[in-house]
Amino acid sequence: DAGVIQSPRHEVTEMGQEVTLRCKPISGHNSLFWYRQTMMRGLELLIYFNNNVPIDDSGMPEDRFSAKMPNASFSTLKIQPSEPRDSAVYFCASSLWVSEHTQYFGPGTRLTVL
Amino acid sequence: AQSVTQPDIHITVSEGASLELRCNYSYGATPYLFWYVQSPGQGLQLLLKYFSGDTLVQGIKGFEAEFKRSQSSFNLRKPSVHWSDAAEYFCAVGERRGSTLGRLYFGRGTQLTVWP
Repeated sequence: DAGVIQSPRHEVTEMGQEVTLRCKPISGHNSLFWYRQTMMRGLELLIYFNNNVPIDDSGMPEDRFSAKMPNASFSTLKIQPSEPRDSAVYFCASSLWVSEHTQYFGPGTRLTVL
Repeated sequence: AQSVTQPDIHITVSEGASLELRCNYSYGATPYLFWYVQSPGQGLQLLLKYFSGDTLVQGIKGFEAEFKRSQSSFNLRKPSVHWSDAAEYFCAVGERRGSTLGRLYFGRGTQLTVWP
């Protein structure tokens, strides 16, 4: 079975540009999580969805960040406008809400904002 | 508030030596506990997890961890380290929402270097 799929794997952009990161969770999973990993702050949860509904977005740093999950097989994380401090690795993870209790991580998107 | 502390930022061991990575957590109830491993340029892979029952849990790649409620600890161990174990290791505590799992709180990670 395919794991969590993220695209792109690497993104380099200039400050002020819009960035969209994409995630396809494992088929059948009904929870999806977006994390950000930096040297300074470690691994931090940005937002998570259950059955396509945002449950906790308290980790979203500011209004420049937005996340959507239009259906069970796709989610996006958008940064507009991007800033150099947004440079990080962004991970998507998915899980079965009810019984699995385990989050499966994608390979991540390394974002560099110049 | 929930938190996870991994006191050792970097550990170096010789191949074949035993390993223990420390993890302490702060959580108001019985936690869900996890250890993940991250190889360079890769996502996080689950090594093992504790939800309830036997406090000594076995994971993949020969790893085990022991939940000690009195010490709020969940240390990861391996009796004999292989060079391929070199990676970064993350401990995490999962928030309980009823009988299900909510968000995860991660420690800052421990980087493991293995000498040949």
